[in-house]
Amino acid sequence: KAGVTQTPRYLIKTRGQQVTLSCSPISGHRSVSWYQQTPGQGLQFLFEYFSETQRNKGNFPGRFSGRQFSNSRSEMNVSTLELGDSALYLCASSLEPGGDYEQYFGPGTRLTVT
Amino acid sequence: DAKTTQPPSMDCAEGRAANLPCNHSTISGNEYVYWYRQIHSQGPQYIIHGLKNNETNEMASLIITEDRKSSTLILPHATLRDTAVYYCIVNTGNTPLVFGKGTRLSVIA
Repeated sequence: KAGVTQTPRYLIKTRGQQVTLSCSPISGHRSVSWYQQTPGQGLQFLFEYFSETQRNKGNFPGRFSGRQFSNSRSEMNVSTLELGDSALYLCASSLEPGGDYEQYFGPGTRLTVT
Repeated sequence: DAKTTQPPSMDCAEGRAANLPCNHSTISGNEYVYWYRQIHSQGPQYIIHGLKNNETNEMASLIITEDRKSSTLILPHATLRDTAVYYCIVNTGNTPLVFGKGTRLSVIA
């Protein structure tokens, strides 16, 4: 069974630009979550989607947005990039939300903003 | 904020059991204990989770105390590839996972 895939794996953008990251969950998984990881702040939750609906949202500015498609694939978008947005962006999928369902993480997209 | 307390670092000799402790004294009755690990620059890897009973899978064993206020992750025969940051998380599944700083496990040859 294929794991969670994220594209692209690496990305370099300049300040002010926008970026879209893509995540394909494990087949059959309907819940997708996004996290940002930086050396200073560690792993921080961005948002969670289930059945195309946002269930939870982390404490990030409105420049960060996401969506989920009917096939459970998800995208996240960051507009007006800032230097501080440089980070590893991780996507995780699970069968459904709920305590008895573990999350499986993808390899991440490393975004560098110059 | 993370609801768990873990030692910042531990060493373990290769081939020996690695026992990683986690305190979660404010855990609620419907919160599971999850363990994940992250090898440098990779996405976190799910290891195991449990609610009340001890659990074992091909990777590790999870021992949860009877009062559920602490738990121990056991890697029975640590290898160099087990060197990673290990995160203990308590969560109902209806709220996002909150990752603390974890324990940096170094397996030494």
